[in-house]
Amino acid sequence: DADVTQTPRNRITKTGKRIMLECSQTKGHDRMYWYRQDPGLGLRLIYYSFDVKDINKGEISDGYSVSRQAQAKFSLSLESAIPNQTALYFCATSDLETGAQETQYFGPGTRLLVL
Amino acid sequence: QKEVEQNSGPLSVPEGAIASLNCTYSDRGSQSFFWYRQYSGKSPELIMSIYSNGDKEDGRFTAQLNKASQYVSLLIRDSQPSDSATYLCAVISGGYNKLIFGAGTRLAVHP
Repeated sequence: DADVTQTPRNRITKTGKRIMLECSQTKGHDRMYWYRQDPGLGLRLIYYSFDVKDINKGEISDGYSVSRQAQAKFSLSLESAIPNQTALYFCATSDLETGAQETQYFGPGTRLLVL
Repeated sequence: QKEVEQNSGPLSVPEGAIASLNCTYSDRGSQSFFWYRQYSGKSPELIMSIYSNGDKEDGRFTAQLNKASQYVSLLIRDSQPSDSATYLCAVISGGYNKLIFGAGTRLAVHP
């Protein structure tokens, strides 16, 4: 079984709809992240959480919200979807290793299309 | 200036050649550097990490770090068609250990 799972894998929605993307992990990591990827722009950080009580905005948090329901679950919501939120969304996890050198592990991604 | 810069490519190399991928970063305080490989439509996967100046080798891959010049590179020896992918350079920047990605370099290895 995959260590980091995302649901749904593909989603088509309409402008103005509220949608939620979910991420679950079995790696036991404290840290979880949401990124979006657009062609030519690489991965950009939306939100991150270093433990259940810690939520932080990334570089492009406007229009998004998150919920860390448990150590293993981190959800991303689009309150009112707009077409420029069409992108590939990745969840990632990490754990602080010795010497503050951490590796991030990515889920399979959710492809979102907002019409 | 972008925090992590890469040439978008495509970088085209013949099978068996050495592919050289380069990355520069702006935060002089960065301490941790990573190379991820991403096949089209798939998630990034870590292939190399480097933390100290110099070279680090792992099989056909060698990462090189020069903190004074603020660049990190990835060499792929004996390139194979299966190496064709986008390679993302990533740097841990800032006091809160956020990973900053470059836009990626697309590598095409042709037979």
